Amino acid sequence: DQQVKQNSPSLSVQEGRISILNCDYTNSMFDYFLWYKKYPAEGPTFLISISSIKDKNEDGRFTVFLNKSAKHLSLHIVPSQPGDSAVYFCAASGLDGNEKLTFGTGTRLTIIP
Amino acid sequence: GAVVSQHPSWVICKSGTSVKIECRSLDFQATTMFWYRQFPKQSLMLMATSNEGSKATYEQGVEKDKFLINHASLTLSTLTVTSAHPEDSSFYICSAKGDREYQETQYFGPGTRLLVL
Repeated sequence: DQQVKQNSPSLSVQEGRISILNCDYTNSMFDYFLWYKKYPAEGPTFLISISSIKDKNEDGRFTVFLNKSAKHLSLHIVPSQPGDSAVYFCAASGLDGNEKLTFGTGTRLTIIP
Repeated sequence: GAVVSQHPSWVICKSGTSVKIECRSLDFQATTMFWYRQFPKQSLMLMATSNEGSKATYEQGVEKDKFLINHASLTLSTLTVTSAHPEDSSFYICSAKGDREYQETQYFGPGTRLLVL
């Protein structure tokens, strides 16, 4: 049962344009959401997070939007740069005080120079 | 700051042998460590959560006698895959969470790729 889903396994975007990565979740108990970036043969690195009390969080070129009613979040990267090419995972954690993260399947983003 | 290392990065072993993977937080004290495995083109699946000095909490479906976890100190956790079989071949990643400035998120190690022949 995949509680966090990233339906696009891959995405290609021209350098300088906006990259939009999407994530859907099914468990309404999730209240904290994170995006990680992963290069091959490396562990994920934290990018940005959002609490369920917010609908938007911005950090430099990265913005995460949360739509609780739709159980949907998205990561916007603008402008996209070649170094952004990686696999992006969204992850969620719950209200029960449990720190564990549930990860999506990832989206491979390729930035075309 | 917030560097997590894993050793070894690659291991190939024969079926039936045991393999130990180390996870270390290099510049902070990890009050909680997590062990994940990732199959090709799939998401990271949490195997277990461990707190320093106490027994690990395993996720449903993960055999605790097969995947032994020891969180002996605030900077070291080990995962031992006992009597490894080919189906245990996977990418194993640990993460660590600390206190104060290191409590906001999990910091991941680079992963260990295990191949069981």
